[in-house]
Amino acid sequence: GAVVSQHPSRVICKSGTSVKIECRSLDFQATTMFWYRQFPKQSLMLMATSNEGSKATYEQGVEKDKFLINHASLTLSTLTVTSAHPEDSSFYICSARGRRTEAFFGQGTRLTVV
Amino acid sequence: DAKTTQPTSMDCAEGRAANLPCNHSTISGNEYVYWYRQIHSQGPQYIIHGLKNNETNEMASLIITEDRKSSTLILPHATLRDTAVYYCIVRMYNQGGKLIFGQGTELSVKP
Repeated sequence: GAVVSQHPSRVICKSGTSVKIECRSLDFQATTMFWYRQFPKQSLMLMATSNEGSKATYEQGVEKDKFLINHASLTLSTLTVTSAHPEDSSFYICSARGRRTEAFFGQGTRLTVV
Repeated sequence: DAKTTQPTSMDCAEGRAANLPCNHSTISGNEYVYWYRQIHSQGPQYIIHGLKNNETNEMASLIITEDRKSSTLILPHATLRDTAVYYCIVRMYNQGGKLIFGQGTELSVKP
């Protein structure tokens, strides 16, 4: 399957700081990228959908000013968690889809806010 | 998108076929059935998808009933590395690729 690379795999940050997570499609052009969050023992929850060159569409209940998503090119999307708090600690996963491909997922980023 | 129902957990002996059921009784005519799996602390992995015909690839087979209200994912010779949570998802093929995950089935393959 297609390769989606997510970086970093783990990050620890102090409360009040911002953290940026990168998601790259390595061997295809990702017209659409998705960001998910997963808490322990729970399923993935879709946070937002972004199309290249457009503003992201956020799911209900997800604060767009807190979770900034940028999809500036067909191979890169970033999620920035602003003013992080301990309750933002979670497993964040990106997914990418091209014009003729299924959605493929990155390996995830474990965020811990202390 | 149609809702899916899957058993919470299943066990399977190593080397045996693992048959994972999924009910999607409210599926509409233009919705596909997708299967993904998630091994602990990793991102989900695409397995297979289908509309109404049975499908097979190098990982698994997908059997969809004639009325399309249920399907079964078959791993023909399960190994310990197939231990994971398996998600059955129904969505329209061109709906922007949006996948909404349910709770899935936790498959444990035992020696």
